[in-house]
Amino acid sequence: SSELTQDPAVSVALGQTVRITCQGDSLRSYYASWYQQKPGQAPVLVIYGKNNRPSGIPDRFSGSSSGNTASLTITGAQAEDEADYYCNSRDSSGNHLEFGGGTKLTVL
Amino acid sequence: EVQLVESGGGLVQPGGSLRLSCAASGFTFSSYWMSWVRQAPGKGLEWVANIKQDGSEKYYVDSVKGRFTISRDNAKNSLYLQMNSLRAEDTAVYYCARWLEGYDKSLFDYWGQGTLVTVSS
Repeated sequence: SSELTQDPAVSVALGQTVRITCQGDSLRSYYASWYQQKPGQAPVLVIYGKNNRPSGIPDRFSGSSSGNTASLTITGAQAEDEADYYCNSRDSSGNHLEFGGGTKLTVL
Repeated sequence: EVQLVESGGGLVQPGGSLRLSCAASGFTFSSYWMSWVRQAPGKGLEWVANIKQDGSEKYYVDSVKGRFTISRDNAKNSLYLQMNSLRAEDTAVYYCARWLEGYDKSLFDYWGQGTLVTVSS
């Protein structure tokens, strides 16, 4: 079982703001990275570090962290943002990595 | 353009072996940590293993330790995963991914399209 905990499912109305969270003790020491995965596709990196977006990721995606919780925020969610989202971080040892269980985002 | 292309997946019986390969292009392969990540059907992502640039450090998730071996050939720009003593619970799509790490970052910035491994009799 994952040491990073995510809500299994979240929904948001089109154009509204949604926050997806990831909780775990290791997040007190390490930043999370966030991945978007659509059905039948490989994951895509959307946020990493303190709050960094790879080239090509819309600026409606942002990240934050406080204590043992990392958050991915989508400001003005679009239909194409409907996907599974996973957080990832090093574990407490620093040598292993772990993913959260994933959050299925539905855009209504 | 960075490309990661996995191969070697297929159907294997429990207790059998399989070797996955990942061909990398578009970047200096020998300069990066590389990883394998898997996803069982209908399930979430699971990190499997990491290997340092020169192969001197390797790390594994506990569930595969002693059964799987990650390796690389920098001259061939290739990453491998030797999987032995396969179990039904190893059935998954296996992704090759490039891992960037530093004191303030840990991320998989490029992923392959994955190769399906099915362990069944």
